[in-house]
Amino acid sequence: DAKTTQPPSMDCAEGRAANLPCNHSTISGNEYVYWYRQIHSQGPQYIIHGLKNNETNEMASLIITEDRKSSTLILPHATLRDTAVYYCIVRDRNTGKLIFGQGTTLQVKP
Amino acid sequence: GAVVSQHPSWVICKSGTSVKIECRSLDFQATTMFWYRQFPKQSLMLMATSNEGSKATYEQGVEKDKFLINHASLTLSTLTVTSAHPEDSSFYICSARPGLAARTDTQYFGPGTRLTVL
Repeated sequence: DAKTTQPPSMDCAEGRAANLPCNHSTISGNEYVYWYRQIHSQGPQYIIHGLKNNETNEMASLIITEDRKSSTLILPHATLRDTAVYYCIVRDRNTGKLIFGQGTTLQVKP
Repeated sequence: GAVVSQHPSWVICKSGTSVKIECRSLDFQATTMFWYRQFPKQSLMLMATSNEGSKATYEQGVEKDKFLINHASLTLSTLTVTSAHPEDSSFYICSARPGLAARTDTQYFGPGTRLTVL
């Protein structure tokens, strides 16, 4: 079973920041949080991952709370092309498997 | 970098036939590859994990004799759906992970293969 909880859907205005929350209260100390997104009928696309510290790359920022029980993915300036299902995944520490939950469907609106 | 391809991108076959799907890591060597399937409006479900040169490990409920996986090289894994039936119609997606650090190495996904069994 997935170890994360995400809201099923969110809307965001084009050009605004999209903040996608994720709860992972049972995360272990050495388990990473990964974010992927899936645009309709395509394979998932890697966005970002982190362990403890906040992370930023060209696509997004990842903010992880100090207790590591939740995180937020931030798309700083959402575009229509960012409309997708966003998956927050806690990677299994032993096997490295990615077990997908239901994700959050982000709809970016003009 | 980190590109994973799949072939074919879509396939239609008759019930009872077998279908082979290829997954290739184009610019890195993948010691581990994963196979997922996804039904409409559902999330991805992990089917199996394959390590180069060894037998695949299947998730609970996935029939290993129906979904044959071969990972003969560090850049190629194949999934063969044997004696396909309409209920096997789905979106099959592979992913590949470079290196041996299971906990930290990023996994990259292919574009998926749409299988329709008539």
